[in-house]
Amino acid sequence: DVKVTQSSRYLVKRTGEKVFLECVQDMDHENMFWYRQDPGLGLRLIYFSYDVKMKEKGDIPEGYSVSREKKERFSLILESASTNQTSMYLCASSPEEWGKPQHFGDGTRLSIL
Amino acid sequence: EDQVTQSPEALRLQEGESSSLNCSYTVSGLRGLFWYRQDPGKGPEFLFTLYSAGEEKEKERLKATLTKKESFLHITAPKPEDSATYLCAVQARGETSGSRLTFGEGTQLTVNP
Repeated sequence: DVKVTQSSRYLVKRTGEKVFLECVQDMDHENMFWYRQDPGLGLRLIYFSYDVKMKEKGDIPEGYSVSREKKERFSLILESASTNQTSMYLCASSPEEWGKPQHFGDGTRLSIL
Repeated sequence: EDQVTQSPEALRLQEGESSSLNCSYTVSGLRGLFWYRQDPGKGPEFLFTLYSAGEEKEKERLKATLTKKESFLHITAPKPEDSATYLCAVQARGETSGSRLTFGEGTQLTVNP
């Protein structure tokens, strides 16, 4: 079974802090994704990566950056956290082939105070 | 622009009362349609992939079907443990990289004993 592991289930940070969210997958997938999920807004794509050191902006990249130094690890960075970044963050991975599903981690619930 | 609309937003059923969830989509060539189940506080769990109109997939009490404009998730004789939010997503042929998905906002299903 595919396993996508997010480093923290719950995280509380303060406004202005630099925040790192880590994600690791164990299935040698080429593609990795970061989403945020908010009530009434559904899943929104922040950034994704289709190869090591490659990244592409999703629909809401402002205020975020990402890093993919190794194939299995994809990090989301909040450069200067703000209260409107309080959300559930979900990481996913999928293989290179088209038409294959994404597999999700259990999410990090991030609160910015 | 690819769009996915799920209905109803919320559905309450009695145990054993069969029903269907709808996912309508507009996409520039469908590469795949995906159904997920999401429990509160957890990441989406992959259920099915459908690739072409007329295709059907089944798993326990769930059956997913696909037409050229919509997909249905039929739930037969549901049990309380089927309570969850069900998400639909599409992958378009127009995507150039990374196997992006476009998600609907989900249907929150509650099955009462």
